[in-house]
Amino acid sequence: GQQLNQSPQSMFIQEGEDVSMNCTSSSIFNTWLWYKQDPGEGPVLLIALYKAGELTSNGRLTAQFGITRKDSFLNISASIPSDVGIYFCAGSPSGTYKYIFGTGTRLKVLA
Amino acid sequence: GAVVSQHPSWVICKSGTSVKIECRSLDFQATTMFWYRQFPKQSLMLMATSNEGSKATYEQGVEKDKFLINHASLTLSTLTVTSAHPEDSSFYICSAIPGTGNTEAFFGQGTRLTVV
Repeated sequence: GQQLNQSPQSMFIQEGEDVSMNCTSSSIFNTWLWYKQDPGEGPVLLIALYKAGELTSNGRLTAQFGITRKDSFLNISASIPSDVGIYFCAGSPSGTYKYIFGTGTRLKVLA
Repeated sequence: GAVVSQHPSWVICKSGTSVKIECRSLDFQATTMFWYRQFPKQSLMLMATSNEGSKATYEQGVEKDKFLINHASLTLSTLTVTSAHPEDSSFYICSAIPGTGNTEAFFGQGTRLTVV
């Protein structure tokens, strides 16, 4: 199945550090969503982006919809231990309303 | 708001039997729901789009006769894994969107299927 390219694949960071991850696609997307998934649970929506260039924040999280509509990034500032988990981007290709998921970024925070 | 509930959370079945998984939108109507499968340490792979009152749309490589999807109401979609085999063991997750067009997709808690 189709997937988005997401990087980095995994990150080990110190508590308090900032984190950045991104997703890229070869095709145009109408919507970008960012999710966090804890083990054995379904993904939880963090941020939704609907317009090219849109920059949206949710607490310590900030995400942007790329100008070309083919990429998006998520930043987490001042990381804390509970930020540990897997982060996924999901995009809705232009002309469809289904969501395709990125390959995921596994985040580990060292106290 | 926007709560999606899946049942059961986990199920163990014998090889050759069928298993039904339910996905409900609790506080909104969903004309469209999605079914995903997730293997350990991998991403979510879209299996099919479930459309209320019509046939599901399956992704390439997904057997529609094996993974039966029914979306009989605006709040319920079911996925039936027929003649399950051990290789069907996976984490199945549904999602639903509250409106039409591109809006946020909310996910259920997932169903862990183990076929023995």
